[in-house]
Amino acid sequence: NAGVTQTPKFQVLKTGQSMTLQCAQDMNHNSMYWYRQDPGMGLRLIYYSASEGTTDKGEVPNGYNVSRLNKREFSLRLESAAPSQTSVYFCASSYPGTDTQYFGPGTRLTVL
Amino acid sequence: GQQLNQSPQSMFIQEGEDVSMNCTSSSIFNTWLWYKQDPGEGPVLLIALYKAGELTSNGRLTAQFGITRKDSFLNISASIPSDVGIYFCAGQRFNAGNNRKLIWGLGTSLAVNP
Repeated sequence: NAGVTQTPKFQVLKTGQSMTLQCAQDMNHNSMYWYRQDPGMGLRLIYYSASEGTTDKGEVPNGYNVSRLNKREFSLRLESAAPSQTSVYFCASSYPGTDTQYFGPGTRLTVL
Repeated sequence: GQQLNQSPQSMFIQEGEDVSMNCTSSSIFNTWLWYKQDPGEGPVLLIALYKAGELTSNGRLTAQFGITRKDSFLNISASIPSDVGIYFCAGQRFNAGNNRKLIWGLGTSLAVNP
């Protein structure tokens, strides 16, 4: 099992560019999450998907969109990147009915 | 958004010392989780707690679910250099229903001097 995988590992964008961060899990988890991590701010939830076909906003959803493509994959899209979106992005997933989340290795994004 | 009060914010200790950190909340929690994040990596689950008063160990790590259900602590005994990293607490509030979002602390950054 690869667990939770994320691509790319690093990305540099110019202001206004768009990109999609990919996440996949092979643990047959129902729920998937996208977080951003900034120094001193801990982990902040952007969007989550409780199950295939559903998505909900988290704490900081502005400037982002998500797609739960199927049970395995949950992507995060930045339509028009801004410097404030420079951050480390983590995808996570959890077993049905449990709170334990398993994280991917992260994508380090810089917006110039 | 709501966050847990995690302390201390950072610690710098000598190898071999014991470490203690805790999280508190004004709300009752059903679940407490402790994660460790190594530099450049994603958080990894260390210990999960599901019952008030529960005391669980994982090697040199011990965590407890507070009896009031509003706090939890993590102890590390005989620290070693590879304990360096950021430790996060996270919890699931009582009566969260189908909402599986976790509430997170801001982390405790641990540095160990060999």
